[in-house]
Amino acid sequence: EAGVAQSPRYKIIEKRQSVAFWCNPISGHATLYWYQQILGQGPKLLIQFQNNGVVDDSQLPKDRFSAERLKGVDSTLKIQPAKLEDSAVYLCASSPGRDTDTQYFGPGTRLTVL
Amino acid sequence: AQSVTQPDIHITVSEGASLELRCNYSYGATPYLFWYVQSPGQGLQLLLKYFSGDTLVQGIKGFEAEFKRSQSSFNLRKPSVHWSDAAEYFCAVGAFKAAGNKLTFGGGTRVLVKP
Repeated sequence: EAGVAQSPRYKIIEKRQSVAFWCNPISGHATLYWYQQILGQGPKLLIQFQNNGVVDDSQLPKDRFSAERLKGVDSTLKIQPAKLEDSAVYLCASSPGRDTDTQYFGPGTRLTVL
Repeated sequence: AQSVTQPDIHITVSEGASLELRCNYSYGATPYLFWYVQSPGQGLQLLLKYFSGDTLVQGIKGFEAEFKRSQSSFNLRKPSVHWSDAAEYFCAVGAFKAAGNKLTFGGGTRVLVKP
């Protein structure tokens, strides 16, 4: 079974530029999560989707971050414009959809904002 | 709101020695508890999880964890560490939701293994 795929693996941009990350979850997984992991910290949930609907985006900085999962499968997370403090690893995870389900994580995208 | 504290930022252990990583949580109801491991450049891999029942949970790679409600703790242990166990370990508490669960992670403990 293929795992969670993410691209790109690394991205370097200047501040005020825009950037997008892509995630393809495990086939059949209804729930998709985006986490931000700043160096030296644990991951922090940004947004959670159930199929193509948003379940929780309470910690997403909506003035600059946006995410979509239009067809209920893959997802895109965008930052526009980026700030220095957005430098982090962005992790995508998926789960079948029940509250007892394990979340499976992708390898992440490491973003550096200069 | 739930929270997780991992008091030890770094731990150095000799290969073959035992390992214990501490985790304390705060949550208003019976928690779902998890331990994940992250190797350099990799995503997080689930080691074990606790939902209910037996408070001693067995996981992969020879790890186990014990849930102690009275101490709000979920410490991770391994009797004999291998060099490949060098990684960062994260404890997390999950909040019940209708669709999946919302994980709150601790700050992590980095484990270094001496030969």
